[in-house]
Amino acid sequence: NAGVTQTPKFQVLKTGQSMTLQCAQDMNHEYMSWYRQDPGMGLRLIHYSVGAGITDQGEVPNGYNVSRSTTEDFPLRLLSAAPSQTSVYFCASSGQNYEQYFGPGTRLTVT
Amino acid sequence: AQSVAQPEDQVNVAEGNPLTVKCTYSVSGNPYLFWYVQYPNRGLQFLLKYITGDNLVKGSYGFEAEFNKSQTSFHLKKPSALVSDSALYFCAVRDINTDKLIFGTGTRLQVFP
Repeated sequence: NAGVTQTPKFQVLKTGQSMTLQCAQDMNHEYMSWYRQDPGMGLRLIHYSVGAGITDQGEVPNGYNVSRSTTEDFPLRLLSAAPSQTSVYFCASSGQNYEQYFGPGTRLTVT
Repeated sequence: AQSVAQPEDQVNVAEGNPLTVKCTYSVSGNPYLFWYVQYPNRGLQFLLKYITGDNLVKGSYGFEAEFNKSQTSFHLKKPSALVSDSALYFCAVRDINTDKLIFGTGTRLQVFP
């Protein structure tokens, strides 16, 4: 099993550009989520999904969109990047035991 | 709204001494509680969880945590710290009504030789 994979590992965007962070898992987990990690702020939940076709907002959803068309994939879209979205982004998934498996992260810089 | 507090930004302990990393929570209903560890430039790894049952739960790498309902706490402990335990530790709570998993701000554990 590859576990949870994220692409890209690093990305630099200019203000106003859009992009999609990819996340995939091969463990057949129903629950998937996106977090951002900022110094002193811990991990903050952006969006999450309890299954294909179902998504919901977390603590900091503004400026981000998600969709869940399959069990495996949970992409995160930045519609118009802002410097405040400079962060490290983690995708995670969990099964019925509630233990989250995290991807390696995407380091995003918005200039 | 559910929340988790980790009151210490950093905990320093000498190798071989016991360690405690503190966590308190606020959630309506029964909490599902977790500890995760993050090593430098890595994603988070699961350490242990409390769902129900015995208040003392044991996890990976010799860590354990004690669930205390009256004090709404879930402190992480280890009897004898290792230098390799130095990392960032996160407490998290899952609201079983909304399925949101909310993390604390993290505590950096530094174990000195």
